Amino acid sequence: AQSVTQLGSHVSVSEGALVLLRCNYSSSVPPYLFWYVQYPNQGLQLLLKYTSAATLVKGINGFEAEFKKSETSFHLTKPSAHMSDAAEYFCAVSPKGTGNQFYFGTGTSLTVIP
Amino acid sequence: DAEITQSPRHKITETGRQVTLACHQTWNHNNMFWYRQDLGHGLRLIHYSYGVQDTNKGEVSDGYSVSRSNTEDLPLTLESAASSQTSVYFCASSESEGDGYTFGSGTRLTVV
Repeated sequence: AQSVTQLGSHVSVSEGALVLLRCNYSSSVPPYLFWYVQYPNQGLQLLLKYTSAATLVKGINGFEAEFKKSETSFHLTKPSAHMSDAAEYFCAVSPKGTGNQFYFGTGTSLTVIP
Repeated sequence: DAEITQSPRHKITETGRQVTLACHQTWNHNNMFWYRQDLGHGLRLIHYSYGVQDTNKGEVSDGYSVSRSNTEDLPLTLESAASSQTSVYFCASSESEGDGYTFGSGTRLTVV
């Protein structure tokens, strides 16, 4: 069965500091990979996705993620945190050939300290 | 602009009642999904559909049903609401494999 692990349910960073949110997946075949952001009382919004093109993927709001097959990882980064980045972040995988079914991690809550 | 809307945004119901949550999308997407979101569990798949008259069970389908009579709508029905079904429910749609989901704003359901 597919699983997605997000290390750290809560991450705090200072404004202007590097943001690093970790995601590992379990699959022998690289799946499609996604990061979503959820602001309070809202639905999930797509940040970026990896679909087997470039391993470094750039998304919205200055976020990017790097696919590392050898580590089965897809960590999310942003060079400089902004107060508006405070939100819940979800990593998701969609195994190829499964009709676009997604498996979500349990989420990481990002706090940005002024 | 195309959108995906869920209604109601908030619902309180009593144990044992039948409840239907609406999901309507104007993206013309074939694929539609229902998830529930609970603390510590992330999002878990309830039911999904790949087109009209197609429905499939997800990871946590017990006590839920869906029907797909047209492309735009996938209503989720709780046959007999239970307190364990208190949750936030999200509907999503997508065009094809490899595409990201477009999510609705969610329905917060409380079963008392």
